[in-house]
Amino acid sequence: RKEVEQDPGPFNVPEGATVAFNCTYSNSASQSFFWYRQDCRKEPKLLMSVYSSGNEDGRFTAQLNRASQYISLLIRDSKLSDSATYLCVVNPPGANNLFFGTGTRLTVIP
Amino acid sequence: DAGITQSPRHKVTETGTPVTLRCHQTENHRYMYWYRQDPGHGLRLIHYSYGVKDTDKGEVSDGYSVSRSKTEDFLLTLESATSSQTSVYFCAISESTRHYGYTFGSGTRLTVV
Repeated sequence: RKEVEQDPGPFNVPEGATVAFNCTYSNSASQSFFWYRQDCRKEPKLLMSVYSSGNEDGRFTAQLNRASQYISLLIRDSKLSDSATYLCVVNPPGANNLFFGTGTRLTVIP
Repeated sequence: DAGITQSPRHKVTETGTPVTLRCHQTENHRYMYWYRQDPGHGLRLIHYSYGVKDTDKGEVSDGYSVSRSKTEDFLLTLESATSSQTSVYFCAISESTRHYGYTFGSGTRLTVV
């Protein structure tokens, strides 16, 4: 069973739309979660950490649902520049490495 | 941005030849990682290091070896390259994966012909 799974999309949304991505994780004891963004032919970059209480950074909101073992990323007022692949990332307990979902591709359309 | 560089950025090599990729950091982070990224598989861990001369295998370590003789350098060697090792290779560094996640290098595009 994979440590983390996410819908690959693609999600095609118009500018200004709100879009949400979810991913599920398998180890209920996991404590650390992140969202990364990866532009085409570039390296992944940290978008935000996901805290138990949820956290917001501008138009981006990340939430954690421990009961259902999923993490979500909400993007409000989508911009063309938000077009990228978004990677859900988990650090299971006792692991010195991160596990990455396969990514959800977002295209924001003018 | 954190100081992490990978070399070479692009490489084409022939089947059966050895290839070494280099990752260099200037952040003095404890952990260094090598991943490969392939369509449909996402990022998969090859090997990682938790200190000088301390390394461990990841999910897809067969056909790869690593060395870390200095804190700042982590080398990935394909002992005898095969076409299935054509991929994009990313190095990453971290001081604490639990708290800070990773910072990635720009990647190496390797083609084995």
